Amino acid sequence: EVQLLESGGGLVQPGGSLRLSCAASGFTFSTYAMTWVRQAPGKGLEWIAAIGGSGVVTYYAGSVKGRFTISRDNSQDTLSLQMNSLRAEDTAVYYCAKVRSADYYGSGEDYWGQGTLVTVSS
Amino acid sequence: DVQMTQSPSSVSASVGDRVTITCRASQDIRSWLAWYQQKPGKAPKLLISGTSSLQSGVPSRFSGSSSGTDFTLTISSLQPEDFATYYCQQGNIMPLTFGGGTKVEIK
Repeated sequence: EVQLLESGGGLVQPGGSLRLSCAASGFTFSTYAMTWVRQAPGKGLEWIAAIGGSGVVTYYAGSVKGRFTISRDNSQDTLSLQMNSLRAEDTAVYYCAKVRSADYYGSGEDYWGQGTLVTVSS
Repeated sequence: DVQMTQSPSSVSASVGDRVTITCRASQDIRSWLAWYQQKPGKAPKLLISGTSSLQSGVPSRFSGSSSGTDFTLTISSLQPEDFATYYCQQGNIMPLTFGGGTKVEIK
């Protein structure tokens, strides 16, 4: 059974940093690209970053580019999101998700974690 | 970025109704369009990928289609468990982008 478990959320001051982790199990982690998607309170979904199976290729949404870094440790089946220079508008539930196809990033995300809440406030 | 314009933003419907949700892409995304269902407090669930491929376990009352840059999710006969918010997502051009969502409410 595929499982994704996020951790690391919490309250942080504007300008601060936070690192989210996502522990994966139930599939060959290194085979699949992974993504982070966030959802601000009462708002829609926002795709923010993706990383290829090997960890070499990464993509970001403009809203987080230069501030957030996605990475993975295939020896530990763990996905991470380093978030720096946090702003109030980064307040959201952050989900990690597995890309459905091993061959294409844009094939949809077929498994999701339960989400972790990040609150940026003084 | 590719803009995904989803309509309507909300729809009130009754059990047994046919419901149609549309997403329009601002440029060609080929067939790389997915649909998700999200219930309050839960993670999204992938329903359809590649415009019309139903995910395993998803009821056949859900279907997807397209015409050019217009994509449609149809629920042929709404069931109580279908009341939720639905999102489209384009997967052709980075960064990937979602539509604004459609809330399907009980009439």
